[in-house]
Amino acid sequence: KAGVTQTPRYLIKTRGQQVTLSCSPISGHRSVSWYQQTPGQGLQFLFEYFSETQRNKGNFPGRFSGRQFSNSRSEMNVSTLELGDSALYLCASSLGERYNEQFFGPGTRLTVL
Amino acid sequence: AQSVTQLDSQVPVFEEAPVELRCNYSSSVSVYLFWYVQYPNQGLQLLLKYLSGSTLVESINGFEAEFNKSQTSFHLRKPSVHISDTAEYFCAVNTAGGFKTIFGAGTRLFVKA
Repeated sequence: KAGVTQTPRYLIKTRGQQVTLSCSPISGHRSVSWYQQTPGQGLQFLFEYFSETQRNKGNFPGRFSGRQFSNSRSEMNVSTLELGDSALYLCASSLGERYNEQFFGPGTRLTVL
Repeated sequence: AQSVTQLDSQVPVFEEAPVELRCNYSSSVSVYLFWYVQYPNQGLQLLLKYLSGSTLVESINGFEAEFNKSQTSFHLRKPSVHISDTAEYFCAVNTAGGFKTIFGAGTRLFVKA
């Protein structure tokens, strides 16, 4: 069974631009979560989608948004990029039931110049 | 609100020595705890988890963790580490009815020859 895939793997943008990241979960998984990973901060939870609905949300500004499609694939969008948005963005999928193990993709490394 | 504190950001240790990575959590409700490992340039992988039952849980590669409710801790231990254990380790707690995972800042384990 294929793992979680994320595209692109690397991205360089400038301040003020917007970016869209994509995540394809493991087949059969209905939940997709997004995290921002920065040195010293660990993983900060962005949001979780289940069956095309946002089920949980972290404490990020409205510039960060996401969606999930009927095939469970998910995208996250960051508008008006800031230097502080430079990070590794990780996507994780699970069956979506309580206390399920999450399976992580390799991440998208975003650099904002 | 739930939170996770990993007390050491970096732990250097010699090969074949024992190691303990510390994790404390705060929560007013029942908790479900996890340790994930991230090898260089990879996503996170589940190492072990505590949901209920025995407070001592083990992984297939020799790590173990003990849930201590009175001390609100879930420390990770290995009696003898290998070079290949060099990685970043994240402690995590499930919250929001089991649908949201909060991660600690991570502990980077360096195993030296």
